[in-house]
Amino acid sequence: DTEVTQTPKHLVMGMTNKKSLKCEQHMGHRAMYWYKQKAKKPPELMFVYSYEKLSINESVPSRFSPECPNSSLLNLHLHALQPEDSALYLCASSEEVGTGEEKLFFGSGTQLSVL
Amino acid sequence: SQKIEQNSEALNIQEGKTATLTCNYTNYSPAYLQWYRQDPGRGPVFLLLIRENEKEKRKERLKVTFDTTLKQSLFHITASQPADSATYLCARGSSASKIIFGSGTRLSIRP
Repeated sequence: DTEVTQTPKHLVMGMTNKKSLKCEQHMGHRAMYWYKQKAKKPPELMFVYSYEKLSINESVPSRFSPECPNSSLLNLHLHALQPEDSALYLCASSEEVGTGEEKLFFGSGTQLSVL
Repeated sequence: SQKIEQNSEALNIQEGKTATLTCNYTNYSPAYLQWYRQDPGRGPVFLLLIRENEKEKRKERLKVTFDTTLKQSLFHITASQPADSATYLCARGSSASKIIFGSGTRLSIRP
């Protein structure tokens, strides 16, 4: 299995809602990532988990809360989002950790709309 | 600040020609660069990684070069096909698993 699976594929939420994005990989990769991508822009790094521990937080607002329950799962909890948070949220994993040569395997993303 | 830039937002070429995309970096010397392909509504797909001591890397119709003097990587697709139309992203990393992407080049191959 060489896939990264993200659910849901689409999500519409109000600014007062709480929702979660889920990501799963069964490649035995020990690093997992959340990226945010706006239309016609490159993916922007949000968080990195290495060996199930948060290693990078790119100054992301606290309304985004990541969680790594185990080495195969990565969640992104959303609360009190703003319309400008609407974007494609991408999960990725890599076999390499901290080498500087991480090759990322991406999921298809969750297209989030905040109303 | 450390920057990685793809100066061409879009590139249109005729089928069968070689597409050449450029990635420039400033204010640092990456040990390696990566190239990804992204189709609309999908996540990027890893294509090639080249290290600074590797002048050239090939995979089927793809070729990547790394010129540390010019601070530039070139990505070539030979014998281009309409199916090669996509956005191509270069990326740099650090020892901390921090992978940063360039702005991307949208490649269109016309029949």
